[in-house]
Amino acid sequence: DQQVKQNSPSLSVQEGRISILNCDYTNSMFDYFLWYKKYPAEGPTFLISISSIKDKNEDGRFTVFLNKSAKHLSLHIVPSQPGDSAVYFCAASAVQGAQKLVFGQGTRLTINP
Amino acid sequence: ETGVTQTPRHLVMGMTNKKSLKCEQHLGHNAMYWYKQSAKKPLELMFVYSLEERVENNSVPSRFSPECPNSSHLFLHLHTLQPEDSALYLCASSQEPLAGYNEQFFGPGTRLTVL
Repeated sequence: DQQVKQNSPSLSVQEGRISILNCDYTNSMFDYFLWYKKYPAEGPTFLISISSIKDKNEDGRFTVFLNKSAKHLSLHIVPSQPGDSAVYFCAASAVQGAQKLVFGQGTRLTINP
Repeated sequence: ETGVTQTPRHLVMGMTNKKSLKCEQHLGHNAMYWYKQSAKKPLELMFVYSLEERVENNSVPSRFSPECPNSSHLFLHLHTLQPEDSALYLCASSQEPLAGYNEQFFGPGTRLTVL
């Protein structure tokens, strides 16, 4: 049973527009969420996170929104730039106790010039 | 070297071979991880080490054997693998093991192909 799902395997967005990547989770114990970005031939790198006590966290062009009732989070990138083309992974964990990070399968974002 | 390094970057091996993957972290972290990423699947946690002690083993077949000689180095010894073991193997480290809020730092991965 996949606890973290990214239902869109790929997304194509025009440069300068907004990119919205979505992630759904099923485990109500999850209370901390992270987004990682991965370029080809590199390991994933941490992008932004959000705790369940918040519903929004912003860092420059990147904003993560959390809807706990819907068990849904999204990553907004605005404006999108060609360098944002990468695979984006959503991950979730429960802060209490020794809980591992559970990853989604990733969404490949392509920014078109 | 900085961050997390992995060698080799690419490995092709037969099913009867024995090989090892190496990971080194230069971040002074206390925890190290092995993940497997198969095509179109989420990253799967394989092993977790905290201060050289294994704290998690996610039902990984015995043909994968981890070794953590110190807090900076992690190995994954491979023997009699199957073609379905072909994947990207990622090493990661974090300050504390398995703490959900801990950012994990990943290496570039080893692309393994089993013939």
